[in-house]
Amino acid sequence: KAGVTQTPRYLIKTRGQQVTLSCSPISGHRSVSWYQQTPGQGLQFLFEYFSETQRNKGNFPGRFSGRQFSNSRSEMNVSTLELGDSALYLCASSLDGTGGERRYFGAGTRLSVL
Amino acid sequence: QQQVKQSPQSLIVQKGGISIINCAYENTAFDYFPWYQQFPGKGPALLIAIRPDVSEKKEGRFTISFNKSAKQFSLHIMDSQPGDSATYFCAASRAGSYQLTFGKGTKLSVIP
Repeated sequence: KAGVTQTPRYLIKTRGQQVTLSCSPISGHRSVSWYQQTPGQGLQFLFEYFSETQRNKGNFPGRFSGRQFSNSRSEMNVSTLELGDSALYLCASSLDGTGGERRYFGAGTRLSVL
Repeated sequence: QQQVKQSPQSLIVQKGGISIINCAYENTAFDYFPWYQQFPGKGPALLIAIRPDVSEKKEGRFTISFNKSAKQFSLHIMDSQPGDSATYFCAASRAGSYQLTFGKGTKLSVIP
């Protein structure tokens, strides 16, 4: 069974640009959540989607957005990039995303903002 | 507000020794406490998890100890091996939530 696939693995952007990251969950998983990982803050929850609906959102500005498609694949978008957005963005999939359920993480997309 | 506090930030253990990582939480509604292991260039992977109805869970060389009254839980790695060198994250979630709240991580180095 294929794991969680995130593309691209690496991205370099400049301030003010926007970026779109993609996540393909494990087949059969309907919940996709996104996390930002930085050395200073660790892993911070961005948002979670289930059946194309955002069910929960973390404490991030509106520049961070996402969506989920009918095949459960998800994208996240960051507009007007800032230097502080440089991070590893991780996607996790699970069957239904409830509290005690196992999440499977992808290898992440490393975003560098110059 | 950091809801899950993890310590130490880094840990060096000799091969064969015991690695101990501690976490404390604030939200008494949390009812699921997983530990994740992350190697460089990889995403976190679930190592072991516990619910508050038990005080200890063991899987191979990895043990979680849970103290509900103190709102603390810890990961013990027995007979630590160089292959255990990784970053470890504790986390917590609650019923009805769709997110994990993570500690800031512990970088473990096991030296031969």
